[in-house]
Amino acid sequence: GEDVEQSLFLSVREGDSSVINCTYTDSSSTYLYWYKQEPGAGLQLLTYIFSNMDMKQDQRLTVLLNKKDKHLSLRIADTQTGDSAIYFCAGPTGNQFYFGTGTSLTVIP
Amino acid sequence: DGGITQSPKYLFRKEGQNVTLSCEQNLNHDAMYWYRQDPGQGLRLIYYSQIVNDFQKGDIAEGYSVSREKKESFPLTVTSAQKNPTAFYLCASSPGTSGRINEQFFGPGTRLTVL
Repeated sequence: GEDVEQSLFLSVREGDSSVINCTYTDSSSTYLYWYKQEPGAGLQLLTYIFSNMDMKQDQRLTVLLNKKDKHLSLRIADTQTGDSAIYFCAGPTGNQFYFGTGTSLTVIP
Repeated sequence: DGGITQSPKYLFRKEGQNVTLSCEQNLNHDAMYWYRQDPGQGLRLIYYSQIVNDFQKGDIAEGYSVSREKKESFPLTVTSAQKNPTAFYLCASSPGTSGRINEQFFGPGTRLTVL
């Protein structure tokens, strides 16, 4: 199956930018996604990028895709305490959906 | 409101007992999925179903069983054969299984603890 890797932890100060990185092995996914999980809850879709795009901006969120290096990143501008959560990158391969290991973002007031 | 519901939110089970986790969706989605989440391991796929009366094993199906008798329901049974069942279980659905229609929508999860 697909291998999708992320750093486990990230801490930033409130107001700074956060960058969460993801590397993957299978480049056949048409779309790549970022999900957010708050403590004890399910996953919410944050944003997605089509595989033929390099960048997508959605308010405070910027997604960058480097297909050559199989690298996806999520930048959160002006990070707030409400952004503290676990962030997962994900993408479909065949009939399955593969998720990264998740990055736990802590925002320090 | 359309969405996915899972019940119960917390579940306790004694060793050796089977237990069934409920998942219902009213999004009219064709595909449904069960994932297990353990700390630091991300989500691992247990079973998925693309259509009623059909389902496939995921990466960690041993010790679990499912059924898909209705489009909106995909219950998961954790059997006594599952050696380490304590985990957070997430159900998801998607409109289909290709392209953007594979985008997954999640329920709130059930935390199962084996005593």
